[in-house]
This record gives sequence, structure tokens and C-alpha cells, in this order.
Amino acid sequence: EAQVTQNPRYLITVTGKKLTVTCSQNMNHEYMSWYRQDPGLGLRQIYYSMNVEVTDKGDVPEGYKVSRKEKRNFPLILESPSPNQTSLYFCASSLRATGNTIYFGEGSWLTVV
Amino acid sequence: AQKITQTQPGMFVQEKEAVTLDCTYDTSDQSYGLFWYKQPSSGEMIFLIYQGSYDEQNATEGRYSLNFQKARKSANLVISASQLGDSAMYFCAMREGSGYSTLTFGKGTMLLVSP
Repeated sequence: EAQVTQNPRYLITVTGKKLTVTCSQNMNHEYMSWYRQDPGLGLRQIYYSMNVEVTDKGDVPEGYKVSRKEKRNFPLILESPSPNQTSLYFCASSLRATGNTIYFGEGSWLTVV
Repeated sequence: AQKITQTQPGMFVQEKEAVTLDCTYDTSDQSYGLFWYKQPSSGEMIFLIYQGSYDEQNATEGRYSLNFQKARKSANLVISASQLGDSAMYFCAMREGSGYSTLTFGKGTMLLVSP
């Protein structure tokens, strides 16, 4: 079954404690990206990756890092989380960078206190 | 300027009736794609329907259809025969040009279906 899997699904953490949200897809997709969703703002892209070792900033990259060492994985790293990073995070993937079939993970609810 | 505008923060509809959720977009690209996603209270994003800018016919997927009016830059979602399970947040999104699979989302419309 085609899947984009995010972990953790729910997390409450404290300001400044580094955390990683993992994302893994089993479809051999080239393109992966991260979005955050905030009330009244819809989803906004944080980072994207066109393939292994190729990453670039989206609209709201501040406070986040990513890496793409393997095709299937695209972790989102919060080096020093702050309360304004409390949000619902989605990982998405598509076969190619120009693909119109975009799969989303189930979302990760992150609260930073 | 917003690239995707959803002017209806909330909509109410009775079960079995049809409902239209509005979406207008702004792009100077000739090639683009328009998407609708459903987000139930559990949070996941569920793909509903896609319309390419060069598609001559309006997209349909079961009870969902997309009323695509290119000249007006609108891509309204029509849900026929609403069901209670259709109660959710609905997002319109656009992928511009022949570029990356980056979606720009609207702020969403909350649909509530009553018995």
C-alpha cells in the first residue's frame, strides 16, 4: 500500500529541546516536502527536496532543517523549538517534482511549551 | 496578493443537497494545476480532485466535480448529494507552472452537513 508515514503523530515538547519528525515514503518518490498548517493560514511549505541530497527552502523555512540522505526518508529537524512552531505538520511526496499525484502523510501535531 | 482565495470561512448544507465551495486563484503561468483536499477533524489530508489548466473538460470524481472557469480564474468544488461524512475542512490548492510539486493552499472552508 502506498504510504507516507510520519512519526511522531503527536508530541508535546519544551522550548529549546531538539526534535526530529521523521517522514518515510514507500513509493520510490523523488519529490518530498514539508508543510505546516496553522489556523486561518492554510498550509505553508517549509522545505522541499527534489531528490537525494537536493533540498531547498519553501515559504517558511526559519527554525527548521531538513536532510535527504536516502530517497525514502525526509526528516524535519527543529534544532531549538519555540512556541511559535506549535503547529500541525505534513509531509508530502510525489513521483517526480512535476507530479500531480501528491500523497500526504497523516500529520504530526506538535506542541512546544 | 493571495494566490488562492477561499471566501467562505464556513458553509452549511442539509444532507442530500448539493453544495458549491468557492475558490479563485491568481497566476500568470499558462500551465498550472488545481487541487481540492478534504481535511476531517482527525487531521489527515485527503485528495479529492485535480484539474489541469489545459484540461478541456471539468474534472469529476464520484460525487465531486470541479467547476473550472479559466477566464474567471475560478475552480469551485461541487459536492452533490451531501452526506454527514462530508463535514470537514476543504482546501483549494494550486501548483504553478511546470515546476515543482509545490502546492499553494487557500485558507480553507469549513463545511457542516446537517441531517
